[in-house]
Amino acid sequence: AQSVAQPEDQVNVAEGNPLTVKCTYSVSGNPYLFWYVQYPNRGLQFLLKYITGDNLVKGSYGFEAEFNKSQTSFHLKKPSALVSDSALYFCAVRDSTGRRALTFGSGTRLQVQP
Amino acid sequence: DTGVSQNPRHKITKRGQNVTFRCDPISEHNRLYWYRQTLGQGPEFLTYFQNEAQLEKSRLLSDRFSAERPKGSFSTLEIQRTEQGDSAMYLCASSPPIVVRQETQYFGPGTRLLVL
Repeated sequence: AQSVAQPEDQVNVAEGNPLTVKCTYSVSGNPYLFWYVQYPNRGLQFLLKYITGDNLVKGSYGFEAEFNKSQTSFHLKKPSALVSDSALYFCAVRDSTGRRALTFGSGTRLQVQP
Repeated sequence: DTGVSQNPRHKITKRGQNVTFRCDPISEHNRLYWYRQTLGQGPEFLTYFQNEAQLEKSRLLSDRFSAERPKGSFSTLEIQRTEQGDSAMYLCASSPPIVVRQETQYFGPGTRLLVL
């Protein structure tokens, strides 16, 4: 069975500072990893993904994530946080077999203070 | 807007009633997914269609739940004899035909269901 852990319910950071939102996963075989962001009463917006290739993945709105196979992690990062980045962030995983279902973490609320 | 659309956006119903939600995927996306999200949790997978074939079903999809995609375009999710525990946000997502690296699921705005 595949699973995702987001160990922090909330991350607080000051505007202009770097941010990290943590994600670790468990999956059989090679993982497909995703980050999504959710604003209040909205659906999920895709940020970035790792399928194969470079371990550092760049995505929308200046976000990036680093795939670390040995630590089974896929932490989301941004060099300089904006107040508008405040939202709920979800990490998701699926395996590389034919199953298409994504397994999501419980989410991390990012609060960027001005 | 050419994203995934879902209707209705909100639904309030009484326990025991049946409800149906509709999802229109992004044009030319042949894969469609339903997820359920309860407050404070991440989305949980319900079911997956490739064209009109329902290929995956979660154990969460009890006998009261049924999903269809009759022509491989829009999909409906019906909940019969609703229970208060069915109150949640129901999310639909779609993704394009299988191409290397094109694994992204694009989500709609969701339908929020409240069962009284």
